[in-house]
Amino acid sequence: DTAVSQTPKYLVTQMGNDKSIKCEQNLGHDTMYWYKQDSKKFLKIMFSYNNKELIINETVPNRFSPKSPDKAHLNLHINSLELGDSAVYFCASSQVAATKQYFGPGTRLTVT
Amino acid sequence: TQLLEQSPQFLSIQEGENLTVYCNSSSVFSSLQWYRQEPGEGPVLLVTVVTGGEVKKLKRLTFQFGDARKDSSLHITAAQPGDTGLYLCATFGNEKLTFGTGTRLTIIP
Repeated sequence: DTAVSQTPKYLVTQMGNDKSIKCEQNLGHDTMYWYKQDSKKFLKIMFSYNNKELIINETVPNRFSPKSPDKAHLNLHINSLELGDSAVYFCASSQVAATKQYFGPGTRLTVT
Repeated sequence: TQLLEQSPQFLSIQEGENLTVYCNSSSVFSSLQWYRQEPGEGPVLLVTVVTGGEVKKLKRLTFQFGDARKDSSLHITAAQPGDTGLYLCATFGNEKLTFGTGTRLTIIP
């Protein structure tokens, strides 16, 4: 059984488009996260949600809008995509904020 | 924000050799985690160290937390191709995990 799943695995799109990435966890965790990993493999937190409420917004452009319909899901919508948005985006979850985190397999976003 | 510097950035060695990678900060860690990320996958937690001077072993991997809790090392004995991956240290503060710069390890069969 997949603990943290993301769709799609790969996403190729043109500049200016709007796209969404979905994340689901079946671990019963209260906290979910979105991370961005750049081409140099640096992994940085973007958002965290606890029980559907935004806890951390790490100075991410407001073109990025996370949405948590319930505590098992945290989706990421990106408006007006830019070349610099190309990266691998990881969803993660944990039982208590920032203890052991379980990561999804990542979504590789390529903006052309 | 605490900056975690990992070294070396890249390491490529032959199967069977030993290696050590490092994670350093100018600040004191409350605790430190090590993750391994295999190509095409998300990071997976290997260990959490909490106490200064603590040593934890996970099969051929030995993790050490510095006495002053400002640095940590990961030593791998008799490296195997399955050890290939990106090794990340991370620390918790301000309700979030901050990751290090990473070490990309390649074990050559």
